[in-house]
Amino acid sequence: ETGVTQTPRHLVMGMTNKKSLKCEQHLGHNAMYWYKQSAKKPLELMFVYNFKEQTENNSVPSRFSPECPNSSHLFLHLHTLQPEDSALYLCASSQAHRGRIDTQYFGPGTRLTVL
Amino acid sequence: DQQVKQNSPSLSVQEGRISILNCDYTNSMFDYFLWYKKYPAEGPTFLISISSIKDKNEDGRFTVFLNKSAKHLSLHIVPSQPGDSAVYFCAASAVQGGADGLTFGKGTHLIIQP
Repeated sequence: ETGVTQTPRHLVMGMTNKKSLKCEQHLGHNAMYWYKQSAKKPLELMFVYNFKEQTENNSVPSRFSPECPNSSHLFLHLHTLQPEDSALYLCASSQAHRGRIDTQYFGPGTRLTVL
Repeated sequence: DQQVKQNSPSLSVQEGRISILNCDYTNSMFDYFLWYKKYPAEGPTFLISISSIKDKNEDGRFTVFLNKSAKHLSLHIVPSQPGDSAVYFCAASAVQGGADGLTFGKGTHLIIQP
C-alpha cells in the first residue's frame, strides 16, 4: 500500500450507532489531519495531530472523537451522529517542521451517510 | 466568514486553450498557498504550491501566480487537456508550528471541452 489509505470507503449508519473511520499513511509523515467536506461547502479542518499529540480541534462536537495511537494511524470514532453529519471525511498527512509547511497528502475519503 | 474564496463554481475551456482559475484570500497571515485537483470519488491530489516570498511558480503545464498586495492567486494550465477536467481547490496556510491545517476554497469545476 502506498500513500494515504482510508477505510471504509462508504459507511451508512443510524443515529444511535457507534462506528470508527480508519486512516493509515505509508509516507513516513509525522502529522495527520481529519477534514470534513459537506455538499457545497469547502473542506473544513476538524483535527490535527502532530507527533501523535492533538494540536488543533476546530470546535468539533464531542460526538466526533479522534484517536492517534502512532504517527501512521489515525481514527475518527463516531457516536450518536446527526443526519447533518453526512459528508465526505478526508484524512491527510504531512511532514511537519517548525517554521516550514510541507504539502498535505490526502486519502480517498470515507463517504458517510447518517440516517 | 470565508478566508479563501473561489468565486467561479465552474469554468468551461476548450481543449488546447489556457485555463485560468482564480482564488482570493482575506487573511494576511497566510503565506503558503497550494492548489489541489479532485476527481469524483477520490481525495484531493496536490498539484502545485507557492510561498509568499515568490510571485510565480511553474511546473510543466501548470503555473501559479501570487499577487500579495491584491491577496489574489491564480492557476494557469496551458495547454488544457481532457484529463484536466476536475474540481480544483485553492488552499492556504500560515507558518506557525509547522503542522497546520489548510483553509480551503469551495472549489472550481473545470470542464475541458474537445
